[in-house]
Amino acid sequence: DVKVTQSSRYLVKRTGEKVFLECVQDMDHENMFWYRQDPGLGLRLIYFSYDVKMKEKGDIPEGYSVSREKKERFSLILESASTNQTSMYLCASSFPSSGSYNEQFFGPGTRLTVL
Amino acid sequence: AQSVTQLDSQVPVFEEAPVELRCNYSSSVSVYLFWYVQYPNQGLQLLLKYLSGSTLVESINGFEAEFNKSQTSFHLRKPSVHISDTAEYFCAVRKLGAGNKLTFGGGTRVLVKP
Repeated sequence: DVKVTQSSRYLVKRTGEKVFLECVQDMDHENMFWYRQDPGLGLRLIYFSYDVKMKEKGDIPEGYSVSREKKERFSLILESASTNQTSMYLCASSFPSSGSYNEQFFGPGTRLTVL
Repeated sequence: AQSVTQLDSQVPVFEEAPVELRCNYSSSVSVYLFWYVQYPNQGLQLLLKYLSGSTLVESINGFEAEFNKSQTSFHLRKPSVHISDTAEYFCAVRKLGAGNKLTFGGGTRVLVKP
């Protein structure tokens, strides 16, 4: 079974702190994604990576950065956390599309609260 | 820009009753369509997908969805729901040629009552 794990289920941080959210997948997937999930807005793509050290902005990258030093690990970084970044963060991974579709597999999510 | 609209944010339904979750998308090009389900305190799981071929697609647990190109819709239905179907359901679209990026709707929370 594909497994996508996220370092924390719940996280509480203070405004201005630097926050790292970690995601690890065990299926040798090239693609990895970070989404945030908010009520009524569904999932919105923050960043994705299609290979080690490669990244591309999603729909809402402002206030976030990412790091992918190893194929299995994709980190989301909040350089200076703000209260409007309180949300559920979901990581996903997949093989590349290459003209067809490859399913995205999701982690359980990290619920981040910024006070 | 591509968008996905789920018309109902919450759908309460009694056990063994039918349910329909509506999804409309806007796209001028061909798309792939998906329904994902999120059970309480879990990540998203793929429920079913439309890539090509028959416009009616089915899942293993009794859900089905029909792709209607003229109405740009992909509504999800189940003729008889169970308590275990209580979850949030997300419709998603992938534009062909857009890599593996998905655009999600706002979600529909289904609460099945006994």
